[in-house]
Amino acid sequence: QVQLVQSGAEVKKPGASVKVSCKTSGYSFTTYYIHWVRQAPGQGLEWMGFVNPSGGGTHYAQNFQDRVTMTRDTSTSTVYMELSSLRSEDTAVYYCSRHHAGYDIYFDYWGQGTPVTVSS
Amino acid sequence: QSGLTQAPSASGTPGQKVTISCSGSSSNIGSSYVYWYQQLPGTAPQLIIYKNNQRPSGVPDRFSGSKSGTSASLAISGLRSEDEGDYHCATWDDSLNGLVFGGGTKVTVL
Repeated sequence: QVQLVQSGAEVKKPGASVKVSCKTSGYSFTTYYIHWVRQAPGQGLEWMGFVNPSGGGTHYAQNFQDRVTMTRDTSTSTVYMELSSLRSEDTAVYYCSRHHAGYDIYFDYWGQGTPVTVSS
Repeated sequence: QSGLTQAPSASGTPGQKVTISCSGSSSNIGSSYVYWYQQLPGTAPQLIIYKNNQRPSGVPDRFSGSKSGTSASLAISGLRSEDEGDYHCATWDDSLNGLVFGGGTKVTVL
C-alpha cells in the first residue's frame, strides 16, 4: 500500500535550519512529484513547493524561494525538505504529499505530518 | 502570497445540507480546476473532490463540488457528525506560478 512516512517532531532555535524527511513506499517513486505543505497552528494550508524524484528538479513557492531546499534520494525513495533561517512564524506542522507527474496538481496521499517548533 | 477566500466557519444539524464557498480570481479558479480537501481533527488532509466535481473512490456521494467563473462550492448533504472538520479548497495560480489554498472552513455539526 502507498505510504508516506515522515520524520519526527523537531524543536529549533531562531536562525537555525530544520531538515524533514518523507520516506515513500508502495508505488513507483519516480512517477509522482513530492510536495511540501505546511499548516501553522489554527491556520490554513500553505504550499511550499515540490521536487521531481525522477530528475531532482524543484519548483518553490515565492514565499520560500530563498530559504527552502528540497532534495531526494532515489536509493531509499526518500524526499527531504530543509528550511533555513527559521523564525517563530515557521512553527507549523509540515506535510509531504504526492501528485502524479503529468497530471493536474492534486494530492491523493499525504504523510502524517511533522511538527516543527521554533522557539528561543 | 495571496490565496483563495473561504468563510471561516459553517454549521448545520444532522441531515441538513451545508454549502462552503471558495472565491478566487481569473488567474486561479477562473483558469484552473478546483480541488477540495477534508481535514478531520488531528489528521492530515484528505482529497474529497478533484477537477471541480469529481469524487475519488470511497468518498460518499453526499459530497459534491461545483465551479462557476472565479468561485467554487462544496456541498455536504445529509450532514453527519463524522463530517466535522476543516475543508480546504485549492487550485493553481498562473500569476503566482504556484498552488494556492483557501484559509479553510470549519464545519460544525450542531
